[in-house]
Amino acid sequence: DAGVIQSPRHEVTEMGQEVTLRCKPISGHNSLFWYRQTMMRGLELLIYFNNNVPIDDSGMPEDRFSAKMPNASFSTLKIQPSEPRDSAVYFCASSQRLAGVIKTQYFGPGTRLLVL
Amino acid sequence: GEDVEQSLFLSVREGDSSVINCTYTDSSSTYLYWYKQEPGAGLQLLTYIFSNMDMKQDQRLTVLLNKKDKHLSLRIADTQTGDSAIYFCAESTGNQAGTALIFGKGTTLSVSS
Repeated sequence: DAGVIQSPRHEVTEMGQEVTLRCKPISGHNSLFWYRQTMMRGLELLIYFNNNVPIDDSGMPEDRFSAKMPNASFSTLKIQPSEPRDSAVYFCASSQRLAGVIKTQYFGPGTRLLVL
Repeated sequence: GEDVEQSLFLSVREGDSSVINCTYTDSSSTYLYWYKQEPGAGLQLLTYIFSNMDMKQDQRLTVLLNKKDKHLSLRIADTQTGDSAIYFCAESTGNQAGTALIFGKGTTLSVSS
């Protein structure tokens, strides 16, 4: 398997622009997670989906952030409008939920976002 | 709320053993994990332990779990320069469907030759 695929790997944009990050989970996995990593705050869970349904979005910082999972093989995280403080590495992870218990999460390589 | 604490830095010499410690707060955590992150890369699962186990060994890695004290440790035997990375401890937020992971801030392991 190719693992979790994220695109783009790097994104540089100007404040106010819309940014869309993409993720393809591992085939057969039914849970998908979006994380943000910064030096100051470490790794933060933004939102996660089970069977394409958002379960917990309490980590989404503001209404400028939105995430969708239209099908089992694709998810997007959108920031509109972007701000310099959104600069971070954004990770997508997926896992397989068995008998109600999520086991290991597999991470993508991340998208490094820089908002100028 | 849930919280995972780790020391931020550890420096060892090549060939020595490294021990990275972690404390967590959620006593209902079903699984506890160790992830490794190399520079510029994503997180790679190293190992995990089920909460009813005390110890798990996998080649050079030994995980010890003290559930009473909510303390988890990762021991790396014969540490190599290639082990230099950030190590994250993580706990599951419970055993209900749809649970996520809570990560510590990571311990940066520096191995000198």
